[in-house]
Amino acid sequence: NAGVTQTPKFQVLKTGQSMTLQCAQDMNHNSMYWYRQDPGMGLRLIYYSASEGTTDKGEVPNGYNVSRLNKREFSLRLESAAPSQTSVYFCASSVRAFQETQYFGPGTRLLVL
Amino acid sequence: QKEVEQNSGPLSVPEGAIASLNCTYSDRGSQSFFWYRQYSGKSPELIMFIYSNGDKEDGRFTAQLNKASQYVSLLIRDSQPSDSATYLCAVTAQAGTALIFGKGTTLSVSS
Repeated sequence: NAGVTQTPKFQVLKTGQSMTLQCAQDMNHNSMYWYRQDPGMGLRLIYYSASEGTTDKGEVPNGYNVSRLNKREFSLRLESAAPSQTSVYFCASSVRAFQETQYFGPGTRLLVL
Repeated sequence: QKEVEQNSGPLSVPEGAIASLNCTYSDRGSQSFFWYRQYSGKSPELIMFIYSNGDKEDGRFTAQLNKASQYVSLLIRDSQPSDSATYLCAVTAQAGTALIFGKGTTLSVSS
């Protein structure tokens, strides 16, 4: 099992460009999450999907959109990137939303110039 | 605003010593508590979870939970240089709608 996979690993964008971060899990988990991690700020939840077909905002959703494509895949889209979105992005999944262990992907390092 | 507080460290211990990592949380109704380890440049990985008051042991790791004091800790016995990492405490909000992470404690184990 690959667990949680994310693509790309690294990305450099110019301000105003768009991109989609991809995430997939092969653990048959119901819930999936997108976090960002910034120095001194810890992990902050952007969006989550408690189950296939549902998505909800987290703590810092502004500037992002998500799509739960199917049970395995959960993508994060930046429509118009800003320097403030420079961060490390982690996707995670769990059997049930928030109550059980979340398993993290390797992360995507994004630099917005 | 639900909060999880950790001392940022660094916490420095010699090899073979016991490392004690502490975490306090503000949501009295929290039910699930997790400790993650994160090496520099890597993703968080679960070390332990605990749901009930008391101690839970797994190898060299012991998690301790005191809901009355809103306090959870992680003890690492016989600390090794490979334990050097940032340790994240995470607590489920009462309504089950969020997992709140602390900012982490950096542990450094010297050989």
